[in-house]
Amino acid sequence: VQLVESGGGVVQPGRSLRLSCAAPEFIFSGFAVHWVRQAPGKGLEWVAVISHDGSNEYYADSVRGRFTISRDNPKNTLDLQMNSLRGEDTGVYYCAKDRVAARNSHSYGLDAWGQGTTVTVSS
Amino acid sequence: DIQMTQSPSSLSASVGDRVTITCRASLHISSYLNWYQQKPGKAPNLLIYAASSLQGGVPSTFSGSGSGTDFTLTISSLQPEDFATYYCQQSYSAPFTFGGGTKVEIK
Repeated sequence: VQLVESGGGVVQPGRSLRLSCAAPEFIFSGFAVHWVRQAPGKGLEWVAVISHDGSNEYYADSVRGRFTISRDNPKNTLDLQMNSLRGEDTGVYYCAKDRVAARNSHSYGLDAWGQGTTVTVSS
Repeated sequence: DIQMTQSPSSLSASVGDRVTITCRASLHISSYLNWYQQKPGKAPNLLIYAASSLQGGVPSTFSGSGSGTDFTLTISSLQPEDFATYYCQQSYSAPFTFGGGTKVEIK
């Protein structure tokens, strides 16, 4: 595992949480990076992506307007700011890097993943 | 948004069996289709990208085919370590949606 997530925990509905993902420069630099989540016992859900230079961001409908993805390239870190959290946001959150250092709007598969960090939204 | 429909949602098979999983996209996605394997408690692992290209380190018993809207993942001879859940994902346009998954269990 070459990406490392952190920041998960238990949070009340309506509150905020910030996840982080750290990776070596050779993994992080030049690649789009994604967040993918998995609710307990459920399938994978793509959450968000940010382009290699941070100039473009895309979100799943379920999180748009509540979550913000960002990256700090000099520090080789990726963040996910999660606001107005809901019970359905509970799950394991993975960061993953795109396979190709592309400069278009396509993805080319996610070839490196973190171990995941667990978020539980509960009162 | 592009919807991905995987079938079956689960299957039972024996070691040595040939297994086929299908994935259908709601819109044309060319060959922007990836397959992942996930074992319990672990992160997903990329098996196939661009519909038919084998990711490095993945056994040649795995293969992918298709383009446009219909895709297939085939395991030519199921091995004990292949019992897992498999997901397709379209990477044509964001949101980069996953299929619902196919759990491959031991018969």
